[in-house]
Amino acid sequence: DGGITQSPKYLFRKEGQNVTLSCEQNLNHDAMYWYRQDPGQGLRLIYYSQIVNDFQKGDIAEGYSVSREKKESFPLTVTSAQKNPTAFYLCASSRGDNYGYTFGSGTRLTVV
Amino acid sequence: DQQVKQNSPSLSVQEGRISILNCDYTNSMFDYFLWYKKYPAEGPTFLISISSIKDKNEDGRFTVFLNKSAKHLSLHIVPSQPGDSAVYFCAASYLNRDDKIIFGKGTRLHILP
Repeated sequence: DGGITQSPKYLFRKEGQNVTLSCEQNLNHDAMYWYRQDPGQGLRLIYYSQIVNDFQKGDIAEGYSVSREKKESFPLTVTSAQKNPTAFYLCASSRGDNYGYTFGSGTRLTVV
Repeated sequence: DQQVKQNSPSLSVQEGRISILNCDYTNSMFDYFLWYKKYPAEGPTFLISISSIKDKNEDGRFTVFLNKSAKHLSLHIVPSQPGDSAVYFCAASYLNRDDKIIFGKGTRLHILP
């Protein structure tokens, strides 16, 4: 079955450490996205990529980095520069025509 | 500046009654609208969509209405069921363009027994 997989489901890190969240899709989608969800804030776009080896900053990119070396994969690194990293992170993919996104099941990151 | 607005953060509806979730948008160039449903600790799932050339789309208990002149859409759920308790995101997009889908902040729907 085609889908989009985020791992792990729960992640704990110490303050000051970088952490990388995985996102893999086998839908043959060109575009991939990272969102962050906080209570009362809805979905806020961190980074997106519409093609391999290219990506753009979203609304809240500071403290995050991404790479898109393969069509299937779009990992997100939460760096120590991110001031409030504890959140629920969602990855999504699409064909790039804006008919809709397919979301992963999310990763809850807790920084202690 | 929010292009897609869901002005009600939460809504409570009795089981069996109609739930109406509202969404307003500011850009008349949007030509496709979507609703997503999200349970806690899960990713959003696609619920229903509507093209700007239509004013209504129905799928089972879910109906989306679009009023282009008012830049307003609504999602009707009839009858409401306990499993409908979730956060609902309204979204808008420009089809076939290199641009992103714009999401509202969501409305939390509580279905009361």
